[in-house]
Amino acid sequence: AQSVTQPDIHITVSEGASLELRCNYSYGATPYLFWYVQSPGQGLQLLLKYFSGDTLVQGIKGFEAEFKRSQSSFNLRKPSVHWSDAAEYFCAVGAGAGGTSYGKLTFGQGTILTVHP
Amino acid sequence: GAVVSQHPSWVICKSGTSVKIECRSLDFQATTMFWYRQFPKQSLMLMATSNEGSKATYEQGVEKDKFLINHASLTLSTLTVTSAHPEDSSFYICSARVVYEQYFGPGTRLTVT
Repeated sequence: AQSVTQPDIHITVSEGASLELRCNYSYGATPYLFWYVQSPGQGLQLLLKYFSGDTLVQGIKGFEAEFKRSQSSFNLRKPSVHWSDAAEYFCAVGAGAGGTSYGKLTFGQGTILTVHP
Repeated sequence: GAVVSQHPSWVICKSGTSVKIECRSLDFQATTMFWYRQFPKQSLMLMATSNEGSKATYEQGVEKDKFLINHASLTLSTLTVTSAHPEDSSFYICSARVVYEQYFGPGTRLTVT
């Protein structure tokens, strides 16, 4: 069964500082990986995704993530955080075609990001 | 593109009554939609997979008679919480699948008094 671990429940950074949110996954095949952001009381917005190819993927709002198969990781990064980035971030792994779980996502526990001015 | 809406965004109901939540894909068709439940400060928990024209598939531990799902068209899935109780109070989020991606609705806050 697939699983996702986000080791950091809460991270605080200063505005303008760099950010890295960790994500480790467990999946038997090549994973489909996603990062979503959720503001309080809102749905999820897709930041970026990895299906195949270049292991460094660029997303919206200046975010990027790197897929490292050897470490089973898909960490999210941003070089300079803005106050508007304060939100909760979810890493997810998706199931591919050919099974009853096709398209299902398994989410990590989430990481709450606080940004200090 | 790929916008998903939910209605209502917020609902309060009395214990014992039923409430219906709608999930619509506005600019695309979705044969598969998912329903999630999210408790405060927790992650999303998949409740069920809704497939157009067929019965929903429920995750283990989810009461199918309590959470009725209907996916009557390629753009609409509904979740009905029957005989709601205070413990059903939660944030319900739907998503629509496009190949390997899911597009999420804004969520519905249900409060049962």
